Amino acid sequence: GAGVSQSPSNKVTEKGKDVELRCDPISGHTALYWYRQSLGQGLEFLIYFQGNSAPDKSGLPSDRFSAERTGGSVSTLTIQRTQQEDSAVYLCASSLGGGSTEAFFGQGTRLTVV
Amino acid sequence: AQKVTQAQTEISVVEKEDVTLDCVYETRDTTYYLFWYKQPPSGELVFLIRRNSFDEQNEISGRYSWNFQKSTSSFNFTITASQVVDSAVYFCALSEARRAGNQFYFGTGTSLTVIP
Repeated sequence: GAGVSQSPSNKVTEKGKDVELRCDPISGHTALYWYRQSLGQGLEFLIYFQGNSAPDKSGLPSDRFSAERTGGSVSTLTIQRTQQEDSAVYLCASSLGGGSTEAFFGQGTRLTVV
Repeated sequence: AQKVTQAQTEISVVEKEDVTLDCVYETRDTTYYLFWYKQPPSGELVFLIRRNSFDEQNEISGRYSWNFQKSTSSFNFTITASQVVDSAVYFCALSEARRAGNQFYFGTGTSLTVIP
């Protein structure tokens, strides 16, 4: 597709379960970002990938959160032992690389932990 | 400290009124980039504009215009003759060349409601 694709659109999980969220960036975009948006809140930075460089994980809230990007394309955000406070919309974005270029966002995955 | 401040949490205007959304940023970099995004009720963030720190020219795109003033560290967004379809949350964002690409710093957003 032409845009950033995220799956699933919605995910309901039980507290304590692990979840995986997927992001397909725009073809050719070397930079990929994950953000989290809680209800009515702004965007919280989680992690950033740029090409083959080591990712910037400075925004991950705990060691229950991890992310991978395989082959410089698809990324998976994994949350282990989910907690209710993890409930949020997880947004993925990609850009041509570097903060000088705009990022394009997917529609997000709405995660609900019950 | 917040790098991007959007002091207006919610704004309501009547259709056809003009409205300005404020954005104040903070950075020590001489090279940086500013952005505005729109998040309609559907939820997907839509890119509106990018500005680099060396270009202080105001920009107009249809009913939208942006006023970038380095002297006051502001990048304000004006919608002229607002329409109901403009109802959305608008986010201002900053990225810094020194840490190019590491992240975009977003403000907390301004929720705009245009009343018909």
